[in-house]
Amino acid sequence: GDSVVQTEGQVLPSEGDSLIVNCSYETTQYPSLFWYVQYPGEGPQLHLKAMKANDKGRNKGFEAMYRKETTSFHLEKDSVQESDSAVYFCALRSVGGGKLIFGQGTELSVKP
Amino acid sequence: GAVVSQHPSRVICKSGTSVKIECRSLDFQATTMFWYRQFPKQSLMLMATSNEGSKATYEQGVEKDKFLINHASLTLSTLTVTSAHPEDSSFYICSARAFRGGGDQPQHFGDGTRLSIL
Repeated sequence: GDSVVQTEGQVLPSEGDSLIVNCSYETTQYPSLFWYVQYPGEGPQLHLKAMKANDKGRNKGFEAMYRKETTSFHLEKDSVQESDSAVYFCALRSVGGGKLIFGQGTELSVKP
Repeated sequence: GAVVSQHPSRVICKSGTSVKIECRSLDFQATTMFWYRQFPKQSLMLMATSNEGSKATYEQGVEKDKFLINHASLTLSTLTVTSAHPEDSSFYICSARAFRGGGDQPQHFGDGTRLSIL
């Protein structure tokens, strides 16, 4: 079945550091790919998305490139801010399918 | 602003009680709604998918008689946790998606319901 694997646990960069959160996916179909962000006590919010291979999602300085050849959708940012601290989920949705499949989540805690 | 409203945000009740959680799409018609469960520091686990006017499709391992889902209108779905026990304590999150004649519609999430069974 479809699955998503992302950087596990907690990531602890300092403010101004660069960031890569890895995301790899597995599916037999042609997925849309997403990064969601979740703040404490809230539901997830769409952070960025890419609908097809070689698309790049962008939001608030974050980027993720849909790479079909490596089945990856890594989340990157050149310089993180304390306000970026949250839990980030990578997710896929197959074309024609209804459900989002989420990765395990990565807690980003940016040190001031 | 919020496009999916979930109510209540927090419930504390005694074991054996049934609890109903409502999920409303505020400014669009949601042909499909999803219910998720999330344990602390874990991912969202899809429980079921409901389409307006038809029976919900449950994921493997989710008890249909325990978690009753009703999607009676295009803007409202409810999840009822029947005879809740402490192990049902969790964060329940709903999500809604519109159908607008094709294309990949975004999926909007509610802010979740923290259910605590004593």
